[in-house]
Amino acid sequence: DVKVTQSSRYLVKRTGEKVFLECVQDMDHENMFWYRQDPGLGLRLIYFSYDVKMKEKGDIPEGYSVSREKKERFSLILESASTNQTSMYLCASTFPGQGDNQPQHFGDGTRLSIL
Amino acid sequence: TQLLEQSPQFLSIQEGENLTVYCNSSSVFSSLQWYRQEPGEGPVLLVTVVTGGEVKKLKRLTFQFGDARKDSSLHITAAQPGDTGLYPCAGANSGGYQKVTFGIGTKLQVIP
Repeated sequence: DVKVTQSSRYLVKRTGEKVFLECVQDMDHENMFWYRQDPGLGLRLIYFSYDVKMKEKGDIPEGYSVSREKKERFSLILESASTNQTSMYLCASTFPGQGDNQPQHFGDGTRLSIL
Repeated sequence: TQLLEQSPQFLSIQEGENLTVYCNSSSVFSSLQWYRQEPGEGPVLLVTVVTGGEVKKLKRLTFQFGDARKDSSLHITAAQPGDTGLYPCAGANSGGYQKVTFGIGTKLQVIP
């Protein structure tokens, strides 16, 4: 079974802090994704990475950056946290495979509160 | 940005009832995925439908992909309390990287 592990289930930070969310997958997957999930808005893609050191913006990248130094690890960085970044953050990974039908394997999420 | 609309957004039913939820778009997708998400956990894939008109069954769950590959439905027969959860759909497009677009999801509550 694929295992996607997010470093924290709950995190409380203050406005202006630099916040790191870590995600590790154990299945040698090429693609990794960061989403945020908010009531009434569903899952929205922040950034994704298709290889080590490669990254692409998703639909809502503003205020975020990412790092992929090793294949198994994908980090989401809030450069200067703001209250509107309070949300549930979900990491996912996929194996490229053939076609575009590979399932997204999700971690259990980090519920981040910015005070 | 392609949008996926799901309806209803909320559904509360009694155990044993049947239900259908919908995932609609004005765009064509190469495939569509259905997930189930329980509180405090990440979404887990239930099924992927690829061919227009395709029907897939997973025990009491029946998934259908529209002929034009723009919409899909999920039908649950004899719902059970264990079916409670959020059901987001996600559309995929050719273009690499396995990117998908998620709908908001239908929040289902099955009352014993």
